[in-house]
Amino acid sequence: DAGVIQSPRHEVTEMGQEVTLRCKPISGHDYLFWYRQTMMRGLELLIYFNNNVPIDDSGMPEDRFSAKMPNASFSTLKIQPSEPRDSAVYFCASGPTGGNEQFFGPGTRLTVL
Amino acid sequence: KQEVTQIPAALSVPEGENLVLNCSFTDSAIYNLQWFRQDPGKGLTSLLLIQSSQREQTSGRLNASLDKSSGRSTLYIAASQPGDSATYLCAVHNNNDMRFGAGTRLTVKP
Repeated sequence: DAGVIQSPRHEVTEMGQEVTLRCKPISGHDYLFWYRQTMMRGLELLIYFNNNVPIDDSGMPEDRFSAKMPNASFSTLKIQPSEPRDSAVYFCASGPTGGNEQFFGPGTRLTVL
Repeated sequence: KQEVTQIPAALSVPEGENLVLNCSFTDSAIYNLQWFRQDPGKGLTSLLLIQSSQREQTSGRLNASLDKSSGRSTLYIAASQPGDSATYLCAVHNNNDMRFGAGTRLTVKP
């Protein structure tokens, strides 16, 4: 298996633009997590899904952020409109039934100018 | 290449005990170190973040220390409770890379 796949790996955009980050989890995994990492705050959980259903979105910073998982093999994290303070590395992780393990993707480094 | 080790792999204590979890890392050039709690079926919960310039951080019954020169961090949990039962992970961030330890599975018995 190729592991968790994220795209793009790098994204540079201007303030106010819409940004869509994509994630393909490991096949067969029931859980999918979105995290954001910054130097000041470390790694923070944004939202996670179980069997394509959002379970906990309490970490989503504000309404500008939304996440979807239309099927078991694809998820998106959208920021609209983007702001400079959204600049961070966004990680997607997936995990098998039981939720005791998480496998991280390589991350998307987002820069909002 | 950074390697992160957590000892012990599992720990079982009676309620009320104070306990220490250990994390060691091989490359001391870190940006920060973070302790997480993992519960089955949930995302990682951040407990404490220690920047490289800091020695310790405290939150409630938790205290984390960092000694970069020796490549060690400890998580101290005071007056443990059954609700503290979970897997505790430390993660080290350096040079655009984040490495997790394998975790310590903690069980606090009532």
